Amino acid sequence: GENVEQHPSTLSVQEGDSAVIKCTYSDSASNYFPWYKQELGKGPQLIIDIRSNVGEKKDQRIAVTLNKTAKHFSLHITETQPEDSAVYFCAARKSGYSTLTFGKGTMLLVSP
Amino acid sequence: EAQVTQNPRYLITVTGKKLTVTCSQNMNHEYMSWYRQDPGLGLRQIYYSMNVEVTDKGDVPEGYKVSRKEKRNFPLILESPSPNQTSLYFCASSDLRGPVANVLTFGAGSRLTVL
Repeated sequence: GENVEQHPSTLSVQEGDSAVIKCTYSDSASNYFPWYKQELGKGPQLIIDIRSNVGEKKDQRIAVTLNKTAKHFSLHITETQPEDSAVYFCAARKSGYSTLTFGKGTMLLVSP
Repeated sequence: EAQVTQNPRYLITVTGKKLTVTCSQNMNHEYMSWYRQDPGLGLRQIYYSMNVEVTDKGDVPEGYKVSRKEKRNFPLILESPSPNQTSLYFCASSDLRGPVANVLTFGAGSRLTVL
Protein backbone atom coordinates (compact mmCIF):
# COMPACT_ATOMS: atom_id res chain seq x y z
CA GLY A 1 0.00 0.00 0.00
CA GLU A 2 0.88 3.66 0.03
CA ASN A 3 3.47 4.95 2.50
CA VAL A 4 3.84 8.65 3.31
CA GLU A 5 6.92 9.95 5.13
CA GLN A 6 6.82 13.45 6.66
CA HIS A 7 9.70 15.61 7.95
CA PRO A 8 10.50 17.23 10.26
CA SER A 9 8.45 15.96 13.19
CA THR A 10 8.84 19.31 14.97
CA LEU A 11 9.71 22.73 13.60
CA SER A 12 10.31 25.91 15.58
CA VAL A 13 10.49 29.27 13.83
CA GLN A 14 10.36 32.94 14.77
CA GLU A 15 7.35 34.99 13.78
CA GLY A 16 7.82 36.32 10.27
CA ASP A 17 10.12 33.50 9.15
CA SER A 18 9.18 30.91 6.55
CA ALA A 19 8.43 27.27 7.36
CA VAL A 20 8.76 24.28 5.05
CA ILE A 21 7.42 20.78 5.68
CA LYS A 22 8.31 17.96 3.32
CA CYS A 23 6.60 14.68 2.47
CA THR A 24 7.48 11.75 0.25
CA TYR A 25 5.14 9.05 -1.01
CA SER A 26 5.78 5.59 -2.33
CA ASP A 27 3.03 4.82 -4.84
CA SER A 28 3.43 6.50 -8.22
CA ALA A 29 -0.32 6.00 -8.80
CA SER A 30 -1.12 8.62 -6.13
CA ASN A 31 -2.64 11.73 -7.65
CA TYR A 32 -4.14 13.81 -4.83
CA PHE A 33 -2.10 15.43 -2.04
CA PRO A 34 -3.89 17.41 0.68
CA TRP A 35 -2.51 19.16 3.73
CA TYR A 36 -4.44 19.32 7.00
CA LYS A 37 -3.90 21.61 10.00
CA GLN A 38 -4.82 20.43 13.48
CA GLU A 39 -5.11 23.06 16.19
CA LEU A 40 -4.97 22.06 19.82
CA GLY A 41 -8.09 20.21 20.93
CA LYS A 42 -9.64 20.15 17.46
CA GLY A 43 -9.93 17.84 14.50
CA PRO A 44 -7.73 18.30 11.41
CA GLN A 45 -8.93 20.77 8.80
CA LEU A 46 -7.96 20.99 5.13
CA ILE A 47 -5.82 24.03 4.35
CA ILE A 48 -4.65 23.34 0.80
CA ASP A 49 -4.46 20.49 -1.66
CA ILE A 50 -2.83 19.75 -5.01
CA ARG A 51 -3.51 17.29 -7.77
CA SER A 52 -0.93 15.54 -9.89
CA ASN A 53 -1.55 17.61 -13.00
CA VAL A 54 -0.32 20.75 -11.19
CA GLY A 55 3.20 21.53 -9.95
CA GLU A 56 2.42 24.35 -7.52
CA LYS A 57 -0.58 25.94 -5.86
CA LYS A 58 -0.76 29.05 -3.68
CA ASP A 59 -3.31 30.47 -1.29
CA GLN A 60 -2.18 33.70 0.35
CA ARG A 61 0.69 32.79 2.69
CA ILE A 62 0.65 29.06 2.04
CA ALA A 63 1.80 27.14 -1.00
CA VAL A 64 2.28 23.54 -1.94
CA THR A 65 4.73 22.17 -4.51
CA LEU A 66 4.68 18.72 -6.08
CA ASN A 67 7.51 16.83 -7.80
CA LYS A 68 5.96 13.71 -9.29
CA THR A 69 9.26 12.40 -10.64
CA ALA A 70 10.85 12.44 -7.20
CA LYS A 71 7.54 11.56 -5.47
CA HIS A 72 7.68 14.36 -2.97
CA PHE A 73 5.57 17.38 -2.10
CA SER A 74 6.09 20.26 0.30
CA LEU A 75 4.12 22.83 2.26
CA HIS A 76 5.51 26.34 2.41
CA ILE A 77 4.25 28.93 4.89
CA THR A 78 5.60 32.46 4.53
CA GLU A 79 5.49 35.28 7.08
CA THR A 80 4.55 32.87 9.85
CA GLN A 81 2.32 34.08 12.68
CA PRO A 82 1.72 32.62 16.16
CA GLU A 83 -1.69 31.37 15.02
CA ASP A 84 0.08 29.14 12.49
CA SER A 85 1.26 27.04 15.47
CA ALA A 86 -0.40 23.64 15.05
CA VAL A 87 0.21 20.09 13.88
CA TYR A 88 0.30 19.73 10.09
CA PHE A 89 -0.41 16.48 8.27
CA CYS A 90 0.30 15.67 4.65
CA ALA A 91 -1.59 12.89 2.89
CA ALA A 92 -1.77 11.05 -0.41
CA ARG A 93 -4.53 9.25 -2.28
CA LYS A 94 -4.28 6.87 -5.18
CA SER A 95 -6.32 7.32 -8.30
CA GLY A 96 -9.53 5.30 -8.09
CA TYR A 97 -9.36 4.93 -4.33
CA SER A 98 -11.24 6.85 -1.69
CA THR A 99 -8.90 6.51 1.30
CA LEU A 100 -6.14 8.90 2.29
CA THR A 101 -2.81 7.78 3.75
CA PHE A 102 -1.48 10.35 6.21
CA GLY A 103 2.04 11.27 7.23
CA LYS A 104 2.89 11.24 10.94
CA GLY A 105 2.54 14.96 11.35
CA THR A 106 4.74 18.01 12.01
CA MET A 107 4.31 20.16 15.09
CA LEU A 108 5.00 23.76 14.05
CA LEU A 109 5.75 26.26 16.81
CA VAL A 110 5.87 29.96 15.88
CA SER A 111 7.41 32.13 18.57
CA PRO A 112 6.43 35.82 18.81
CA GLU B 1 -23.81 24.33 10.39
CA ALA B 2 -22.14 21.53 8.43
CA GLN B 3 -20.40 19.29 10.93
CA VAL B 4 -19.37 15.87 12.14
CA THR B 5 -20.46 15.20 15.72
CA GLN B 6 -18.80 12.61 17.92
CA ASN B 7 -19.85 11.42 21.36
CA PRO B 8 -18.57 11.06 23.96
CA ARG B 9 -15.70 13.55 23.74
CA TYR B 10 -13.98 11.99 26.74
CA LEU B 11 -14.35 8.53 28.22
CA ILE B 12 -12.49 6.52 30.84
CA THR B 13 -13.44 2.87 30.95
CA VAL B 14 -12.08 -0.47 32.10
CA THR B 15 -10.74 -3.45 30.17
CA GLY B 16 -13.47 -5.60 28.67
CA LYS B 17 -16.40 -3.21 29.09
CA LYS B 18 -18.08 -2.78 25.71
CA LEU B 19 -18.41 0.77 24.48
CA THR B 20 -19.66 2.64 21.45
CA VAL B 21 -18.44 5.97 20.12
CA THR B 22 -21.12 7.58 17.98
CA CYS B 23 -20.50 9.66 14.86
CA SER B 24 -23.08 11.63 12.93
CA GLN B 25 -22.74 13.98 9.95
CA ASN B 26 -25.31 16.40 8.51
CA MET B 27 -23.78 16.92 5.05
CA ASN B 28 -25.27 13.88 3.26
CA HIS B 29 -21.75 12.55 2.67
CA GLU B 30 -21.37 9.06 1.21
CA TYR B 31 -17.94 8.42 2.71
CA MET B 32 -17.27 8.10 6.43
CA SER B 33 -14.15 6.92 8.24
CA TRP B 34 -12.64 6.38 11.68
CA TYR B 35 -9.03 7.23 12.57
CA ARG B 36 -7.00 6.91 15.70
CA GLN B 37 -4.26 9.37 16.56
CA ASP B 38 -1.33 8.32 18.72
CA PRO B 39 1.86 10.28 19.54
CA GLY B 40 4.51 9.69 16.89
CA LEU B 41 2.19 7.58 14.75
CA GLY B 42 -0.03 10.21 13.18
CA LEU B 43 -3.50 9.37 11.91
CA ARG B 44 -4.19 5.73 11.19
CA GLN B 45 -7.38 4.56 9.56
CA ILE B 46 -9.46 1.97 11.43
CA TYR B 47 -12.51 1.42 9.19
CA TYR B 48 -14.26 3.28 6.43
CA SER B 49 -17.56 3.18 4.61
CA MET B 50 -18.40 4.30 1.10
CA ASN B 51 -22.16 4.03 1.54
CA VAL B 52 -24.94 2.51 3.60
CA GLU B 53 -24.27 -1.14 4.46
CA VAL B 54 -20.78 -0.97 2.89
CA THR B 55 -17.79 -1.03 5.25
CA ASP B 56 -14.10 -1.90 4.79
CA LYS B 57 -11.08 -2.37 6.99
CA GLY B 58 -8.44 0.31 7.18
CA ASP B 59 -4.90 -0.11 8.42
CA VAL B 60 -5.61 -0.95 12.09
CA PRO B 61 -9.04 -2.66 12.33
CA GLU B 62 -8.23 -5.26 15.02
CA GLY B 63 -10.43 -4.92 18.09
CA TYR B 64 -12.97 -2.63 16.44
CA LYS B 65 -16.32 -2.98 14.71
CA VAL B 66 -18.41 -0.51 12.76
CA SER B 67 -21.81 -0.38 11.15
CA ARG B 68 -23.46 1.88 8.57
CA LYS B 69 -27.20 1.36 8.77
CA GLU B 70 -28.03 4.97 7.96
CA LYS B 71 -26.15 7.39 5.76
CA ARG B 72 -25.58 9.95 8.50
CA ASN B 73 -24.33 7.62 11.28
CA PHE B 74 -21.17 5.55 11.58
CA PRO B 75 -20.64 4.24 15.13
CA LEU B 76 -17.35 2.73 16.29
CA ILE B 77 -17.76 -0.27 18.59
CA LEU B 78 -15.14 -1.66 20.94
CA GLU B 79 -16.53 -5.03 22.01
CA SER B 80 -13.82 -5.74 24.61
CA PRO B 81 -11.58 -2.70 25.03
CA SER B 82 -7.95 -3.18 26.00
CA PRO B 83 -5.37 -0.64 27.25
CA ASN B 84 -3.67 -0.53 23.82
CA GLN B 85 -6.88 1.06 22.49
CA THR B 86 -6.28 4.11 24.66
CA SER B 87 -6.11 6.82 22.01
CA LEU B 88 -7.66 9.90 20.45
CA TYR B 89 -10.30 8.90 17.91
CA PHE B 90 -11.56 10.96 14.98
CA CYS B 91 -14.53 10.41 12.73
CA ALA B 92 -14.48 12.05 9.30
CA SER B 93 -16.74 12.26 6.27
CA SER B 94 -16.59 13.46 2.68
CA ASP B 95 -18.36 13.54 -0.64
CA LEU B 96 -17.18 11.00 -3.21
CA ARG B 97 -18.09 13.14 -6.22
CA GLY B 98 -18.10 16.77 -7.21
CA PRO B 99 -15.67 19.67 -6.64
CA VAL B 100 -15.04 18.80 -2.98
CA ALA B 101 -14.76 15.05 -3.42
CA ASN B 102 -12.48 13.44 -0.85
CA VAL B 103 -12.11 16.61 1.23
CA LEU B 104 -12.50 15.21 4.72
CA THR B 105 -14.49 16.99 7.42
CA PHE B 106 -13.34 15.78 10.83
CA GLY B 107 -15.15 15.65 14.12
CA ALA B 108 -13.64 17.23 17.24
CA GLY B 109 -12.28 13.92 18.51
CA SER B 110 -13.02 11.44 21.30
CA ARG B 111 -10.33 10.80 23.87
CA LEU B 112 -10.63 7.26 25.19
CA THR B 113 -8.72 5.83 28.14
CA VAL B 114 -8.92 2.11 28.87
CA LEU B 115 -7.66 1.11 32.33
